[in-house]
Amino acid sequence: GQQVMQIPQYQHVQEGEDFTTYCNSSTTLSNIQWYKQRPGGHPVFLIQLVKSGEVKKQKRLTFQFGEAKKNSSLHITATQTTDVGTYFCAANTGTASKLTFGTGTRLQVTL
Amino acid sequence: DTAVSQTPKYLVTQMGNDKSIKCEQNLGHDTMYWYKQDSKKFLKIMFSYNNKELIINETVPNRFSPKSPDKAHLNLHINSLELGDSAVYFCASSQVSGKSGYTFGSGTRLTVV
Repeated sequence: GQQVMQIPQYQHVQEGEDFTTYCNSSTTLSNIQWYKQRPGGHPVFLIQLVKSGEVKKQKRLTFQFGEAKKNSSLHITATQTTDVGTYFCAANTGTASKLTFGTGTRLQVTL
Repeated sequence: DTAVSQTPKYLVTQMGNDKSIKCEQNLGHDTMYWYKQDSKKFLKIMFSYNNKELIINETVPNRFSPKSPDKAHLNLHINSLELGDSAVYFCASSQVSGKSGYTFGSGTRLTVV
């Protein structure tokens, strides 16, 4: 089955530093979604990217979809302690009505 | 006015017991899901229902049986619970199956002892 890998698995940054997580698939994706899960919480939908090369911004968060639609990234500028959590990408190939979640990147931010 | 609500939030039970988790969404979404999140935080789909019809049934032991009495409800019944069933179970819903953002419930932490 389709696998969606994320790197890194874990990142620890100091507040104010930037952070990036990468999502890679071996197959072409019809779209990609990003979610954030706070410790002890549930995944919360952040954004969906559909077009090749698409870039979307939400305040300090920048999301990119690769030209070949096989990878994506989430970049956080000047992290804050409120950014702590696990970030998941999730992808649907379009051939099945199933969203496959990536392995997640856990972000820890300290003062 | 919780959009996707699950009950119970915590469930501690002995091996061999049967238990149910309930889920309701008030978003008017057509599709509902059950996901399992293990201790390593991997989120894995178990089932998906669209307008009360089962559309995804992953490789899940048949001790797990979902039921959808209407499109706003999706319950999960688990028979003969095993230690390995311990996990957090999330219900979710979406407008268009697999192609729009999912709204997750707050999860049910199941501990089998």
